[in-house]
Amino acid sequence: QVQLQESGPGLVKPSGTLSLTCAVSGDSISSNNWWSWVRQPPGKGLEWIGEIYHSGSTNYNPSLKSRVTISVDKSKNQFSLKLSSVTAADTAVYYCARRVRWHHDYWGQGTLVTVSS
Amino acid sequence: QSALTQPASVSGSPGQSITISCTGTSSDVGAYNYVSWYQQHPGKAPKLMIYDVSNRPSGVSNRFSGSKSGNTASLTISGLQAEDEADYYCSSYTSSSTVVFGGGTKLTVL
Repeated sequence: QVQLQESGPGLVKPSGTLSLTCAVSGDSISSNNWWSWVRQPPGKGLEWIGEIYHSGSTNYNPSLKSRVTISVDKSKNQFSLKLSSVTAADTAVYYCARRVRWHHDYWGQGTLVTVSS
Repeated sequence: QSALTQPASVSGSPGQSITISCTGTSSDVGAYNYVSWYQQHPGKAPKLMIYDVSNRPSGVSNRFSGSKSGNTASLTISGLQAEDEADYYCSSYTSSSTVVFGGGTKLTVL
């Protein structure tokens, strides 16, 4: 059973950097899958942030690309998200997910990150 | 990239069938048979219901089906049940090697 678990601060100050980690169990981060971040502002829809392959290859949402960095730690079987220069518009539930071929089959439970001073 | 277009809401009575549309472009929905659909209940993570346009993961009811024509994909739920009331999102892989989601559709079971 594949499980993903997000962790990180629930409150970030404006202009700061949001940092989250996704711990993966039940699958190797080095498997032939991509590892994604998706967010959902309160009361709104899903927005794909980006993804990483175990080799370090990444794909990012063009609208966020200048502020996003996704990295992988194979020794800990986890991957991470950094989003810089955050504003209130970045307040959202952040999900990590596994992409198998062209769909996301396993998701974390999500973690709410609020941007506020 | 622009979000795929879905109706904001649809509704149906128990036992009826409903269809949710998802319109994209020739760079995403129309380019590949890589459309997936997700169900999300309040406060929960999305759940994969359909992948590669019309395939159901193990454990998903056969009341859920998917199709695609041109730049528009569709999710049909037959024999509506109260537990189907949720938000539904479509998603597509794009020619830019990115993923795009639809704006979401709220399904109400009357």
